[in-house]
Amino acid sequence: AQSVTQLGSHVSVSEGALVLLRCNYSSSVPPYLFWYVQYPNQGLQLLLKYTTGATLVKGINGFEAEFKKSETSFHLTKPSAHMSDAAEYFCAVSEPHTGFQKLVFGTGTRLLVSP
Amino acid sequence: EAQVTQNPRYLITVTGKKLTVTCSQNMNHEYMSWYRQDPGLGLRQIYYSMNVEVTDKGDVPEGYKVSRKEKRNFPLILESPSPNQTSLYFCASSPTGAKNQPQHFGDGTRLSIL
Repeated sequence: AQSVTQLGSHVSVSEGALVLLRCNYSSSVPPYLFWYVQYPNQGLQLLLKYTTGATLVKGINGFEAEFKKSETSFHLTKPSAHMSDAAEYFCAVSEPHTGFQKLVFGTGTRLLVSP
Repeated sequence: EAQVTQNPRYLITVTGKKLTVTCSQNMNHEYMSWYRQDPGLGLRQIYYSMNVEVTDKGDVPEGYKVSRKEKRNFPLILESPSPNQTSLYFCASSPTGAKNQPQHFGDGTRLSIL
């Protein structure tokens, strides 16, 4: 079965620093890939997704992610962190072998941003 | 405004007392799903529904029931709740359940079973 690994349950950065959140998946067949963000007391919101085409995907709030098939990775980056980026981030993949969407989520990474 | 609405947002109850968490979406989506979120485990799917009267088990269905009598509603039923069902629950929907479609999530329901 598909699995998603997010390295680091917590990542701390200073405001203005680079944000890098790591995501690796296990499928040998390229899946569809998603990053979601969860702010306190809210549901998950889509940041960006990769389905087909360009491997560098731009999302909302200045985030982007690059699909690297050879590394089975889909890491999330942002050049300069803002305080408002503090949240929990989930990487998810859509199982490639089902006829419909079945999302498998990573365990999440909490981003802490200090002044 | 397009949204997925869950009620209640918070509930503390006791073991064995039946409860229902409602979920409603106003986007005419065919696909709906329930997840539970637990620390260190991410989100795990409980049940999903491809359309009215079509439901199926996800990864952790034990102890839960669902129904889909109308397209917009997808309630989650705990017939006899137990403490291990204490969790944060999310309802989500997407237009057709196609693999490339993102899901829209509700704001969550925090259940505490004593």
